[in-house]
Amino acid sequence: DTGVSQDPRHKITKRGQNVTFRCDPISEHNRLYWYRQTLGQGPEFLTYFQNEAQLEKSRLLSDRFSAERPKGSFSTLEIQRTEQGDSAMYLCASSPSGRSTEAFFGQGTRLTVV
Amino acid sequence: GQQVMQIPQYQHVQEGEDFTTYCNSSTTLSNIQWYKQRPGGHPVFLIQLVKSGEVKKQKRLTFQFGEAKKNSSLHITATQTTDVGTYFCAGLKDYGGSQGNLIFGKGTKLSVKP
Repeated sequence: DTGVSQDPRHKITKRGQNVTFRCDPISEHNRLYWYRQTLGQGPEFLTYFQNEAQLEKSRLLSDRFSAERPKGSFSTLEIQRTEQGDSAMYLCASSPSGRSTEAFFGQGTRLTVV
Repeated sequence: GQQVMQIPQYQHVQEGEDFTTYCNSSTTLSNIQWYKQRPGGHPVFLIQLVKSGEVKKQKRLTFQFGEAKKNSSLHITATQTTDVGTYFCAGLKDYGGSQGNLIFGKGTKLSVKP
């Protein structure tokens, strides 16, 4: 499968625990996005990488959230001290460089904080 | 910060009726993209508009990009039950030549009554 893959697909965690999600973009896509989506809402932008550089981070994102893309390939999103309000679908998307900026989404990681 | 507003939030139509969703950005966009998300699925790219005043068609779908590159619309002619889903516009912010993050509207949820 050469699409965007995310792991895990589902995560249930207790409040206060740390969680880490992984995203493997389509190879050679240099742009990578993380979004959060709750039921009935559009994808909410979290952060954006171009290669290994994190170019933008949403101001809505607390400092409990951190993302990395160390070698410009896969990315991880970590949430520390999870809260119930963090429960959502976390979507990763990648897009190529150049004029076509179509974003290819992964299936997402559904996080439930209990 | 940049916002992308989308209306209406919901649209219920009878099969065969037309459907239109509108998207407005607070800032000029580098391009605008449209995505469709089926229930339980992830957003899937439909089209990208780049030029001021651009109009593109895909079968029964017509996409427009405004002259000022701040607004866009998606029109579906003679809806079918397969058109059911949520339609999102997404604006790409231009970092002065280095294309940046993709901001999504909240989407228009379309339901079609057979």
